[in-house]
Amino acid sequence: DQQVKQNSPSLSVQEGRISILNCDYTNSMFDYFLWYKKYPAEGPTFLISISSIKDKNEDGRFTVFLNKSAKHLSLHIVPSQPGDSAVYFCAASSSLDQGGKLIFGQGTELSVKP
Amino acid sequence: KAGVTQTPRYLIKTRGQQVTLSCSPISGHRSVSWYQQTPGQGLQFLFEYFSETQRNKGNFPGRFSGRQFSNSRSEMNVSTLELGDSALYLCASSIVGSDIQYFGAGTRLSVL
Repeated sequence: DQQVKQNSPSLSVQEGRISILNCDYTNSMFDYFLWYKKYPAEGPTFLISISSIKDKNEDGRFTVFLNKSAKHLSLHIVPSQPGDSAVYFCAASSSLDQGGKLIFGQGTELSVKP
Repeated sequence: KAGVTQTPRYLIKTRGQQVTLSCSPISGHRSVSWYQQTPGQGLQFLFEYFSETQRNKGNFPGRFSGRQFSNSRSEMNVSTLELGDSALYLCASSIVGSDIQYFGAGTRLSVL
């Protein structure tokens, strides 16, 4: 049972344009959401997060949007840069768990072309 | 501040053997979580330890176990290895009360 889904395995975007990565979840108990970026041979790096009490969080070129009614979140990267090319994972957690448990999507590989 | 350190980085084992992986969290982080990453599966939660106690456990067989020491360092053990256990094993640490986890580079386990 995949509680967090990233339906696009890959995305290709031109440098300078917007990248939009999508994520859907099924568990309504999730109340905190995170995005991680992963380069080959490295561990995931935390990018940005959002609490379920908000619908938007922005950090520089990265913005995460949360639509609770649709159980959908998205990560916008503007403008996209070649260094953004990596695999992006969305993850979710529930405060009902005691902590330390993130449920991840399968990842979306972003390729930003010069 | 040093990041999360995992050792060894690479391991090759044969079926039926057992293996122990080690994780040193960021200084001051008392929660340590373990994940398995296989192609197409994303990261799957194994278990989490806090103050030497397992607080959360994922849907993995009992062959997968772990422990945490008083200095917050953690070990993960897999017994009776199977070919399907070949994966990248990631450790992450976090501070109390935060959902943001910081990951190590992982241990790549190959079971032959």
